[in-house]
Amino acid sequence: GENVEQHPSTLSVQEGDSAVIKCTYSDSASNYFPWYKQELGKRPQLIIDIRSNVGEKKDQRIAVTLNKTAKHFSLHITETQPEDSAVYFCAAMYSGGGADGLTFGKGTHLIIQP
Amino acid sequence: KAGVTQTPRYLIKTRGQQVTLSCSPISGHRSVSWYQQTPGQGLQFLFEYFSETQRNKGNFPGRFSGRQFSNSRSEMNVSTLELGDSALYLCASSLWGTLSYEQYFGPGTRLTVT
Repeated sequence: GENVEQHPSTLSVQEGDSAVIKCTYSDSASNYFPWYKQELGKRPQLIIDIRSNVGEKKDQRIAVTLNKTAKHFSLHITETQPEDSAVYFCAAMYSGGGADGLTFGKGTHLIIQP
Repeated sequence: KAGVTQTPRYLIKTRGQQVTLSCSPISGHRSVSWYQQTPGQGLQFLFEYFSETQRNKGNFPGRFSGRQFSNSRSEMNVSTLELGDSALYLCASSLWGTLSYEQYFGPGTRLTVT
């Protein structure tokens, strides 16, 4: 089955700086890679996703890059703000039928220092 | 459109008992997936239902089961509860399952087993 490794487990950055979270996956068949943000006591929220036929995707201050050859993908948050503080999860899935559901990384606790 | 809803939100049970959790997906979504979230293991896939059929199952014992009704609402059942079953149980709905990949989570049911 799929295995997703996520680093770092905790990331502290100054407000206004950029944050980068990295994930690697093991199953080359995986073709869908979402990122979720989970604030304390709340549900995971989908913030951005990327499919394997795309190398990069941006949405305002958030971007995701995918390197299929190396089997890793990253989340980039620019101009961080206090409301970006949360736990971020990466995930991977094969969506072409017989999907095994999302396999999640262990999460990154992002702390934005004022 | 209303989001994914789950009932009950909190539950306290005793070892050996059984429990049933309910999930109502976003209107029009036909796929419902269930996940277990714990501090130690993170988010783990339990199973997915699509058009009343279990399509995929994660690596959990047979004590964990589910079903889906014709209106796409889903229930998850855990029999013979163990202390280790204490967790946040999240369901996620998706439009077509593997054809439309985005999964949207409900608020979860916090299960405590004593």
